[in-house]
Amino acid sequence: DTAVSQTPKYLVTQMGNDKSIKCEQNLGHDTMYWYKQDSKKFLKIMFSYNNKELIINETVPNRFSPKSPDKAHLNLHINSLELGDSAVYFCASSQNTGARDTQYFGPGTRLTVL
Amino acid sequence: AQSVTQPDIHITVSEGASLELRCNYSYGATPYLFWYVQSPGQGLQLLLKYFSGDTLVQGIKGFEAEFKRSQSSFNLRKPSVHWSDAAEYFCAVGARNTDKLIFGTGTRLQVFP
Repeated sequence: DTAVSQTPKYLVTQMGNDKSIKCEQNLGHDTMYWYKQDSKKFLKIMFSYNNKELIINETVPNRFSPKSPDKAHLNLHINSLELGDSAVYFCASSQNTGARDTQYFGPGTRLTVL
Repeated sequence: AQSVTQPDIHITVSEGASLELRCNYSYGATPYLFWYVQSPGQGLQLLLKYFSGDTLVQGIKGFEAEFKRSQSSFNLRKPSVHWSDAAEYFCAVGARNTDKLIFGTGTRLQVFP
C-alpha cells in the first residue's frame, strides 16, 4: 500500500494552461504539505494544511492554489502555467504540525511547461 | 532564520568504503535535525533524526549521524557503502517554534564497484 500517492507522475503542458496535481495519504495524518524541487534539487516548502486548514503559505504566486477536500487529500491547482513552474512537486504528510514530526513524502510529480 | 549548508554537491566512493556526508546548520538554539535520502525518481525517505539526548543517532540502512553543537554540524556516516546507497542525500533543519523544515541543497552520492 502506498502511503502518500500523487497523480500524475509526469505532466507535460503548454504555457498558459491550467493543471492540477492530486495527492492522497492513507496514513491517517492530520497535516499535508506541498514542496517544489527545482532543477538544482533545491527543495522548498510551498504550503501546509492541518485538518483542511491552511497553516503555511510561503511566498508562492497566487496562481498556485492548494485545495484540501478532506484530511487525506491535498490537491495543487496551478493557473496560467509559466516556464519557471517546471519542477518536481512533492506532496508529504505528517501526523501533526510542527517541525518535529516526521514527514512522509510521495514519489513526486514532474511538471514540464513548454 | 535557520539555514542548512551541505558543502559537498557530489561525492564518489568505492563500494565497501566508509562515507561521511557533511551538514552544517545555522540556528540560535538546538534545532530538530533530519537526514533524508532520495533515490532516482523517488520521493524522500527519512534515514534518521535528532531532537535531543544522545548525540549519536542510528538510522535505517546502517546509517548514523552525530550532532555536534560546537560545530553546528550533523554529519551522516556509514562504515561500508553499498552500491544501492547511490542516491541524493538531504539534510534538513526544523526550528522548534515553526512548522517548517528547511532543506539543504543535497549531496549526490555515486558508488563505484
